[in-house]
Amino acid sequence: GAGVSQSPSNKVTEKGKDVELRCDPISGHTALYWYRQSLGQGLEFLIYFQGNSAPDKSGLPSDRFSAERTGGSVSTLTIQRTQQEDSAVYLCASSPLRGAGELFFGEGSRLTVL
Amino acid sequence: AQKVTQAQTEISVVEKEDVTLDCVYETRDTTYYLFWYKQPPSGELVFLIRRNSFDEQNEISGRYSWNFQKSTSSFNFTITASQVVDSAVYFCALSEDTSGTYKYIFGTGTRLKVLA
Repeated sequence: GAGVSQSPSNKVTEKGKDVELRCDPISGHTALYWYRQSLGQGLEFLIYFQGNSAPDKSGLPSDRFSAERTGGSVSTLTIQRTQQEDSAVYLCASSPLRGAGELFFGEGSRLTVL
Repeated sequence: AQKVTQAQTEISVVEKEDVTLDCVYETRDTTYYLFWYKQPPSGELVFLIRRNSFDEQNEISGRYSWNFQKSTSSFNFTITASQVVDSAVYFCALSEDTSGTYKYIFGTGTRLKVLA
């Protein structure tokens, strides 16, 4: 497709389980971002990739969160031992330019931890 | 440190009224970029505008206009003759180079409700 694709669109899991969220950016976009949006809140920066490297991981809330990007394309955000406070919409965005360009967002993955 | 403040949590207007959404930012860099995004009820964020810090010229696009003032660190967004379809959450964002990382910092958003 032409846009940023995220899967799953909805994920319900039990507390303590691990989850993986996937982002497929627009082809050729070198920059990839993950954000978290809790109900009625703004966008919380999680992590940024330039190519396959992540210059800034400071936004990851805890060591239960990790992300990787392979081949300069698909990225996976993994949350281990999920907690109820992890419930949110996880948004992925990509950009063709380093810092100056608009972000193209996916539709998000809604995570609900019971 | 970077910071974006959208003090208006929610605004309600009647259709055809003009409305201004405020955005105030903080940055130590001289080179930075400012953005506005719209998040309609469907959820997907849509890009509206990008300005760089060296271009203070105001911009108009149809019913939308933006007022960038470096002196007050503000980048306000005005919708003229609002319509019901303008109902959405609007986010202001700032991007600057922080030690090689371009981290887009978003405000908390302003929910605009346009009533018919």
